[in-house]
Amino acid sequence: NAGVTQTPKFRILKIGQSMTLQCTQDMNHNYMYWYRQDPGMGLKLIYYSVGAGITDKGEVPNGYNVSRSTTEDFPLRLELAAPSQTSVYFCASSNRGAYEQYFGPGTRLTVT
Amino acid sequence: AQKVTQAQTEISVVEKEDVTLDCVYETRDTTYYLFWYKQPPSGELVFLIRRNSFDEQNEISGRYSWNFQKSTSSFNFTITASQVVDSAVYFCALSEAVGANAGKSTFGDGTTLTVKP
Repeated sequence: NAGVTQTPKFRILKIGQSMTLQCTQDMNHNYMYWYRQDPGMGLKLIYYSVGAGITDKGEVPNGYNVSRSTTEDFPLRLELAAPSQTSVYFCASSNRGAYEQYFGPGTRLTVT
Repeated sequence: AQKVTQAQTEISVVEKEDVTLDCVYETRDTTYYLFWYKQPPSGELVFLIRRNSFDEQNEISGRYSWNFQKSTSSFNFTITASQVVDSAVYFCALSEAVGANAGKSTFGDGTTLTVKP
């Protein structure tokens, strides 16, 4: 089992560029999440999904969009990148009724 | 609203010392889950334990133990005979078990544990 995979591992964007962070899980989990973690800080929830076709905003959704067309995939779209979006992005998944989260390895994004 | 407080920002111990990481939570729900996660210097986040609000039994796993007390809304984590490999940031988290926000965890800000040789 690969668990939760994220691509890319690292990315440098110029201000105003857009990109999609990919996240895939092979555990058939209902729930998926996107977090950002700024240096030395905790996790902030960007978006989450309780199943295919259903997404909801978290604590810091501005500047991001998500979609969930399949159970396995939960891509995060950054539009018009800004330096404030420099962070490490983690994708996670969990199963309904248990809710412990399994995290991907993270994507380190720098916007300059 | 839910809240998780990890009052200890940083803890430094010498190898073989015991150390306890504190976690205090607030929730109005009667059914919830509590979690601990570990983030070593390599950066990945690893799930350690889940505790159901109905189960106040303490849990021991090797050198790790967890003390859940509903009366004080605390879910503390103790490492016995700490080792350098225990150096990491540890996060406590809380999730509703039922309802519209079930599965949406609230994380504490983390405690950075440094174990010196």
